Amino acid sequence: GQNIDQPTEMTATEGAIVQINCTYQTSGFNGLFWYQQHAGEAPTFLSYNVLDGLEEKGRFSSFLSRSKGYSYLLLKELQMKDSASYLCALPWIYNTDKLIFGTGTRLQVFP
Amino acid sequence: SQTIHQWPATLVQPVGSPLSLECTVEGTSNPNLYWYRQAAGRGLQLLFYSVGIGQISSEVPQNLSASRPQDRQFILSSKKLLLSDSGFYLCAWSVRASWSDEQFFGPGTRLTVL
Repeated sequence: GQNIDQPTEMTATEGAIVQINCTYQTSGFNGLFWYQQHAGEAPTFLSYNVLDGLEEKGRFSSFLSRSKGYSYLLLKELQMKDSASYLCALPWIYNTDKLIFGTGTRLQVFP
Repeated sequence: SQTIHQWPATLVQPVGSPLSLECTVEGTSNPNLYWYRQAAGRGLQLLFYSVGIGQISSEVPQNLSASRPQDRQFILSSKKLLLSDSGFYLCAWSVRASWSDEQFFGPGTRLTVL
């Protein structure tokens, strides 16, 4: 089967750096997604990692370690608008058309 | 460019009433289509997905159903709503048979069953 674990909530200060972790268990791996979801809105895609290492996209970076079943999303120079939930997701091993989502980490950025 | 529409944006319905939520996608062909529900403070729960017209896979037993009458139209229905059906319903699409491509979500419908 597959399982995804993320912290429920995190807080940080504007301008700071925050790391949101995601650990997973899966018997087959087809990459890992990160989505951002502002309250009351639809999730939007942030990143997809399939190889180990760090991928940077502006202020956001995503890291993957397949051997450790671990990923993190790194947000730099935090802004108030970064307050949102961050969802980690895996394609389902039996049918990669489907995504299995974690429950998400709700990040609150304070001034 | 591709766009995904959902309506209505918000809906308040009494228990036992029927439901019909519609989702349409523009700018792409043969998409995979998905219905998710997100209860308050909870994660995304996949309800249905479809890889083609008339092809529906149900993920969880419930009093909801889905239909795909056209390639880019996905409908979520219920004959009799329950209180537990309240939540944020999201439609999404993705490129068929390409798991490395992300899912694109519609704006969602917030359903309150009273």
